[in-house]
Amino acid sequence: DVKVTQSSRYLVKRTGEKVFLECVQDMDHENMFWYRQDPGLGLRLIYFSYDVKMKEKGDIPEGYSVSREKKERFSLILESASTNQTSMYLCATLPGLGGAGELFFGEGSRLTVL
Amino acid sequence: DAKTTQPNSMESNEEEPVHLPCNHSTISGTDYIHWYRQLPSQGPEYVIHGLTSNVNNRMASLAIAEDRKSSTLILHRATLRDAAVYYCIRDKFYFGSGTKLNVKP
Repeated sequence: DVKVTQSSRYLVKRTGEKVFLECVQDMDHENMFWYRQDPGLGLRLIYFSYDVKMKEKGDIPEGYSVSREKKERFSLILESASTNQTSMYLCATLPGLGGAGELFFGEGSRLTVL
Repeated sequence: DAKTTQPNSMESNEEEPVHLPCNHSTISGTDYIHWYRQLPSQGPEYVIHGLTSNVNNRMASLAIAEDRKSSTLILHRATLRDAAVYYCIRDKFYFGSGTKLNVKP
């Protein structure tokens, strides 16, 4: 079974802090994604990566950056956290971009910025 | 321009069938239609996908309109454990706001 592990289920940070959210997968999938989820807005794509050191912006990249130095690890970085970044963050993986592959999600990281 | 349109919420009685609709009128000929569901306090999980033909698996059935502009996820006998948010997506990465399904005992 694919395992997508997000390092922290719950985080509380202060405005202006630098925040790292880590995601690790164990199935050698090429593609990894970061979403945020807010009530009434569903899942919104922040960034995705289709290969090591490669990244693409999603719908809402402002205020975020990502890092993918190794295939199995995809990090989401909030350089200076703000209260409007309080949200649930979900990481997902996908074996290939073409065809009908399914996304595999982690359990989520709930971030509160005070 | 919403890529998919789903009702915000639906309600069903336990052990009755549920038909969850999705409109994707701008779908291209090569886009698969995927459905995911998200149980409370969990990440989304894959339910089913299809391209043109109707599909069945152990979780659900997917009925795709002939013009592919809409699809329906069918849960044949809803259980309380099926209460979740159901997402229909036609672009593999991009989700909408989904349909919250409430199942009444």
